[in-house]
Amino acid sequence: AQKITQTQPGMFVQEKEAVTLDCTYDTSDPSYGLFWYKQPSSGEMIFLIYQGSYDQQNATEGRYSLNFQKARKSANLVISASQLGDSAMYFCAMREVNTGNQFYFGTGTSLTVIP
Amino acid sequence: GAGVSQSPRYKVTKRGQDVALRCDPISGHVSLYWYRQALGQGPEFLTYFNYEAQQDKSGLPNDRFSAERPEGSISTLTIQRTEQRDSAMYRCASSPRGGSTNEKLFFGSGTQLSVL
Repeated sequence: AQKITQTQPGMFVQEKEAVTLDCTYDTSDPSYGLFWYKQPSSGEMIFLIYQGSYDQQNATEGRYSLNFQKARKSANLVISASQLGDSAMYFCAMREVNTGNQFYFGTGTSLTVIP
Repeated sequence: GAGVSQSPRYKVTKRGQDVALRCDPISGHVSLYWYRQALGQGPEFLTYFNYEAQQDKSGLPNDRFSAERPEGSISTLTIQRTEQRDSAMYRCASSPRGGSTNEKLFFGSGTQLSVL
């Protein structure tokens, strides 16, 4: 079974609008971390935001927020006030610690911001 | 160093040749990961180390792939008898301690391998 599932291969959003990128995960480990990375066309991997499995509140980092629904095992990324520079691939990832310290990535969502 | 450094940046080789890809993690980082990323896809786990010990190599596709980190710092990923299907971006990443859920990975720029 896939550890991380991103069901949206491509998304479009109008500049200045908000967009939600979906991510679901699969783990039996009670202790895990969820991450989002951005990969622009330059290829670098840029860390955006982190959510711990025991965190009570949704993580926020500037225009990025993580909609964490533990019971549904989802960790959607919300980007508010989209900018042209947000156009990139976005990867959801999970780190399990108690079951081997693995770090798994999803297949990614390509976001295009339309001016 | 200031970041994760990988070399070479690009590697073109002929089918059947061996290649060695190098990763120099952030100084002091305990964990080092190797990933392979095909165009338009997410990073695919290959193997990882804590210090010099290889903790998990379950992602290595076959026995042509091997990795080492003999002194707990620089790591080398070796692919023997390369095949065209090995062509991809190979990425290295490191993290400080390796035992916490909140530790993010710091990625290098990758080595783009092309097997002709």
